[in-house]
Amino acid sequence: AQSVTQLDSQVPVFEEAPVELRCNYSSSVSVYLFWYVQYPNQGLQLLLKYLSGSTLVKGINGFEAEFNKSQTSFHLRKPSVHISDTAEYFCAISNAGGTSYGKLTFGQGTILTVHP
Amino acid sequence: GAVVSQHPSRVICKSGTSVKIECRSLDFQATTMFWYRQFPKKSLMLMATSNEGSKATYEQGVEKDKFLINHASLTLSTLTVTSAHPEDSSFYICSAREAGTYGYTFGSGTRLTVV
Repeated sequence: AQSVTQLDSQVPVFEEAPVELRCNYSSSVSVYLFWYVQYPNQGLQLLLKYLSGSTLVKGINGFEAEFNKSQTSFHLRKPSVHISDTAEYFCAISNAGGTSYGKLTFGQGTILTVHP
Repeated sequence: GAVVSQHPSRVICKSGTSVKIECRSLDFQATTMFWYRQFPKKSLMLMATSNEGSKATYEQGVEKDKFLINHASLTLSTLTVTSAHPEDSSFYICSAREAGTYGYTFGSGTRLTVV
């Protein structure tokens, strides 16, 4: 069985401060990793994904994440946040192959609130 | 980029009636579509996986006779909530995967309220 744990349910931060949203996962097989953002009453937008290659992944809106296989982590970072980054963020994983190919397992979500 | 259109965005229905939600890939062919349910302040739970031209695969605990999924073409999948009850009230989101890629595109979601 797979699982994703987002260690913080809520993260408040001031505008222009750096932020890190933490994500750990558990899986017995190789996985692909994703970060999504969700604004109220909307669907999910992909921020970035790790499939293979460099463990540092850059995404949209200035976000980046680093895959750490030994620590089974995929933390999301942004050096300077804006008010518009206020949203809920989901970490997700998927099997890198096999019969479960394509199904995403999501973490519980982290609500990022950026204060002026 | 890839776009998935999901309709309606909001629907209110009476208990006992059925509601159909559409998920349409606008500029790509989606061989596989996923349907998720999101409870308030909760994460997304996968309900079922649908492949074009075949029966949907439901996750454990999801009633296939209550949540009917049809994926009749490479651009359209529908979820019908039959005989809806207040406990079916939720946010439903579809996701489509483009053939030959590993890209997932999500619809904008449907807020279902059963009264």
